[in-house]
Amino acid sequence: GNSVTQMEGPVTLSEEAFLTINCTYTATGYPSLFWYVQYPGEGLQLLLKATKADDKGSNKGFEATYRKETTSFHLEKGSVQVSDSAVYFCALSAKAAGNKLTFGGGTRVLVKP
Amino acid sequence: DAGVIQSPRHEVTEMGQEVTLRCKPISGHNSLFWYRQTMMRGLELLIYFNNNVPIDDSGMPEDRFSAKMPNASFSTLKIQPSEPRDSAVYFCASREMTGGNTEAFFGQGTRLTVV
Repeated sequence: GNSVTQMEGPVTLSEEAFLTINCTYTATGYPSLFWYVQYPGEGLQLLLKATKADDKGSNKGFEATYRKETTSFHLEKGSVQVSDSAVYFCALSAKAAGNKLTFGGGTRVLVKP
Repeated sequence: DAGVIQSPRHEVTEMGQEVTLRCKPISGHNSLFWYRQTMMRGLELLIYFNNNVPIDDSGMPEDRFSAKMPNASFSTLKIQPSEPRDSAVYFCASREMTGGNTEAFFGQGTRLTVV
């Protein structure tokens, strides 16, 4: 079945540091890929997405590129802020799997001033 | 639209009691998901519906859990009888089921504590 693997946290960074969160996937067919973010006490919300190979999703300074050859969708941000402290989830959805939305385990990021 | 609405936001109940969690998806969305989140197990998919029909309930922990979607605007997740290990945050999410590339919108969650 489909699965998503992302690096375990917590990831602790200083403000203005570079952030990378690795995400790899296993899927049948051609999935769409997503990054969701969860701030404390809230539900998940979409951060960015990519629907086909080589697409780059971007939002709020975050970027991720759909790499089919390496089955990866790593999340990056060049200069993090304290407000980026949250839990980040990589996810996929594939029509071949009934459009089931499958999440990775989440990566907690803590940005210190 | 007000987004995905879950109720109650918090629920504290005694072991053995029945608990019912409710979800109102976004109007026009035809897929609905129930997730459970705990520190130990992370985010787990319990069940999801397409067009009100349960598609995959393999994540439902055991027979104590049941979910229904009687119409496009309402779903329930019931735990009977509840146990302390059911304590978690339960999220409902909905999306348009068009090719699998649409985003899912999550509710604020229901924090369940079973004592």
